[in-house]
Amino acid sequence: QSVLTQPPSVSGAPGQRVTMSCTGSSSNTGSYDVHWYQQLPGTAPKLLIYGDRNRPSGVPARFSGSKSGTSASLAITGLQAEDEAYYYCQSYDSSLSGWVFGGGTKLTVL
Amino acid sequence: EVHLVESGGGLVQPGGSLRLSCAASGFTFSSYEMNWVRQAPGKGLDWVSHISTSGVTRSYADSVKGRFTISRDNAKNFLYLQMNSLRAEDTAVYYCARGFGNFAYWGQGILVTVSS
Repeated sequence: QSVLTQPPSVSGAPGQRVTMSCTGSSSNTGSYDVHWYQQLPGTAPKLLIYGDRNRPSGVPARFSGSKSGTSASLAITGLQAEDEAYYYCQSYDSSLSGWVFGGGTKLTVL
Repeated sequence: EVHLVESGGGLVQPGGSLRLSCAASGFTFSSYEMNWVRQAPGKGLDWVSHISTSGVTRSYADSVKGRFTISRDNAKNFLYLQMNSLRAEDTAVYYCARGFGNFAYWGQGILVTVSS
């Protein structure tokens, strides 16, 4: 049972827009930055969004992040086949004094 | 280019010990906080431990507290994870990751299997 709650799966057709959520509490997402990672099959995670809404250099503008209260969202526009992957959110938790991840969302491109 | 390369994984019996290493290159290692994150087979990501730049401040997930010890050698550009009293549930791919807050760079991971 992950501290941060993500939907197990989302799907969309090529070219469409999809969103996925990450819900926490006041001790984590409500007080600290949320970061998002993309994990392609058989590879290490890659930082996709940091500080709720910022993209590292090299990450396409099709990926965007937002946060309101204790919930964060990742949006992907212009869906491409290569976007099929697992997506994880992450934040700091003051109650646990450590970093926590969501359980991950599997994105399927139809 | 930032490079993180883990080593030291393998098969170990329950109750045994293992030391993981992470060789860092392409950046000033002593200037960055470091972490270990693991991923059990078919499961999600699980933060394990963090160490400050100097090595003075260390933190651990409750699941490994008292059994795992994180350390670093800034002169040699190495991060370590000493794992004792290993359990079946510690079986996972272990990643070293650079950063405090967000983990901007990750190694390729090393598999640790705890089984008799």
